[in-house]
Amino acid sequence: GAVVSQHPSWVICKSGTSVKIECRSLDFQATTMFWYRQFPKQSLMLMATSNEGSKATYEQGVEKDKFLINHASLTLSTLTVTSAHPEDSSFYICSAQLVGYTFGSGTRLTVV
Amino acid sequence: TQLLEQSPQFLSIQEGENLTVYCNSSSVFSSLQWYRQEPGEGPVLLVTVVTGGEVKKLKRLTFQFGDARKDSSLHITAAQPGDTGLYLCAANSGGSNYKLTFGKGTLLTVNP
Repeated sequence: GAVVSQHPSWVICKSGTSVKIECRSLDFQATTMFWYRQFPKQSLMLMATSNEGSKATYEQGVEKDKFLINHASLTLSTLTVTSAHPEDSSFYICSAQLVGYTFGSGTRLTVV
Repeated sequence: TQLLEQSPQFLSIQEGENLTVYCNSSSVFSSLQWYRQEPGEGPVLLVTVVTGGEVKKLKRLTFQFGDARKDSSLHITAAQPGDTGLYLCAANSGGSNYKLTFGKGTLLTVNP
């Protein structure tokens, strides 16, 4: 079946630094990938739709200059959290669609 | 944006009890999905319901799609501690980018 690999699974960074999260479709091509954010005991909130070869589409209220998305190939999308602050600490999850939606295992970001 | 109302938000029961989780909307969906998520992991698809009135069974889990395709329910019979997790309903928001919108989730705890 379709597998989406997300890396790293957890990261701790200092406030003001940038962090890159990778999302790879391992055995299929994904022209579209999705990035979600999840706070503890809450549901997934869609941040943006990543489109291969074009600009990402951001949901209302999501700062595109802070959450940079690059989808340079059919199997890789990256989310970079720039100038991270403690309030950016969260669980970030990507997904891609083949027949259904397949999710990565998530990245726990802690900004100290 | 199609809103999915999920209830209850939290549920703590004893092993062996039955439970039902509801997912309601004012919108009509072509399909609706149920996911289960464990801490620190991405959501895993349990089932997709497509036809109004459809009932699908997955071992002790029974999923129902409302006749009008606006609501769905998940019933678990004889819950076990291994059923503990966050249960999410989700639906495609339509259009060409296939964005998946999630309900707020039901955090289920099954106590031994």
